[in-house]
Amino acid sequence: DIQMTQSPSTLSASVGDSVTITCRASQSVDVWLAWYQQKPGRAPKPLIYRASTLESGVPSRFSGSGSGTEFTLTITSLQSDDFATYYCQEFETYTFGQGTKLENK
Amino acid sequence: QVQLVQSGAEVKKPGASVRVSCTASGYTVTNYYIQWVRQAPGQGLEWMGIIDPRGTSTTYAQRFQGRVTMTRDTSTGTVYMELRSLRSDDTAVYYCARRTNGFDIWGQGTMVTVSS
Repeated sequence: DIQMTQSPSTLSASVGDSVTITCRASQSVDVWLAWYQQKPGRAPKPLIYRASTLESGVPSRFSGSGSGTEFTLTITSLQSDDFATYYCQEFETYTFGQGTKLENK
Repeated sequence: QVQLVQSGAEVKKPGASVRVSCTASGYTVTNYYIQWVRQAPGQGLEWMGIIDPRGTSTTYAQRFQGRVTMTRDTSTGTVYMELRSLRSDDTAVYYCARRTNGFDIWGQGTMVTVSS
């Protein structure tokens, strides 16, 4: 199976900051990668598919990039609603990254 | 409204089986793949498997091979996930999700507790 490594595991930031989360795949997944946001007690919310395409209704402060084995999720102008845990998922073997908890500094 | 509605919470004893359902409404279920994902308390997301639109093909994560079965009833729009030989570490919330470009619609989750 493909291994997905997310970094950092925890990220502290403040409202208005910009942050970047990285997801690395153990082998190429081309652009077949998605990002999700999850809040406690809730189902994951899809943010991005095919590495860089925003799901409908997702604010433009979220962006994704990358291909092959390295991908990034960037959130600009952090809002209070953005503090959550973020996961990547590749679409070759559907493996998830271990998650990045974005917390309020 | 397009949604996936899952069955309610379950409490099972070790060694038992559980079947979780996932019912689609607002769209034609036979057009989409459905994945199952679980999340143990305080842990990350774990992919379990996926079933094709007509229920004729499934792919399971290696760690669940032989213990999980995913099926679908195209007449009712319901997908099922059965997990057998339950252990305490199967205690988790189980989610279904629909694939379009990504997995864009998720069920609300079903809590399965395995306890003697």
